[in-house]
Amino acid sequence: GAGVSQSPSNKVTEKGKDVELRCDPISGHTALYWYRQSLGQGLEFLIYFQGNSAPDKSGLPSDRFSAERTGGSVSTLTIQRTQQEDSAVYLCASSRLPLSGGINEQFFGPGTRLTVL
Amino acid sequence: KQEVTQIPAALSVPEGENLVLNCSFTDSAIYNLQWFRQDPGKGLTSLLLIQSSQREQTSGRLNASLDKSSGRSTLYIAASQPGDSATYLCAVRVDNYGQNFVFGPGTRLSVLP
Repeated sequence: GAGVSQSPSNKVTEKGKDVELRCDPISGHTALYWYRQSLGQGLEFLIYFQGNSAPDKSGLPSDRFSAERTGGSVSTLTIQRTQQEDSAVYLCASSRLPLSGGINEQFFGPGTRLTVL
Repeated sequence: KQEVTQIPAALSVPEGENLVLNCSFTDSAIYNLQWFRQDPGKGLTSLLLIQSSQREQTSGRLNASLDKSSGRSTLYIAASQPGDSATYLCAVRVDNYGQNFVFGPGTRLSVLP
């Protein structure tokens, strides 16, 4: 595809429900990143995939958050038992290779706006 | 722990003005600093990336400077246009192995026609 796509673009859910957010990276990009952007805050790194493995899960805020990537392509971020503080925009980015020395640019998707009532 | 701040939080200027956006970081041990633009409902678009060994980068009407020792970067926009209206984010990369970027909260810029 032309760029990184994410679905859904908006998700409203009730507290306690599980949600799945999807990211389709640019074809051929081996690295994939999830970020969270809360109102008035900077982007918060959540998790990074190289292929299907996640060498860095340090940013996941709690064990209610998990992510997987299959076929080195699509990734799903799952939030279980959602809480109101999970409300944010969840952004996905991909790059051709890991950001060695910061040369390889990240391309961002439009994000999923999650609202937990 | 690295913290990134941006001043001002919001800025409104008339078209044609030159303007400066500021980014500060608390730990000077960074690998690079990157400026992004974010339009409403859209993802981030990379504008300029400055390696830690560099002092500045230029692209068109944009010029970004980096003073690592003082923990500061500025983004200079010349002859601003309404199309420049967006939120501008800076991010520092704090290591060369992981993917540890620390983002600032952004400056929301409005350029009035």
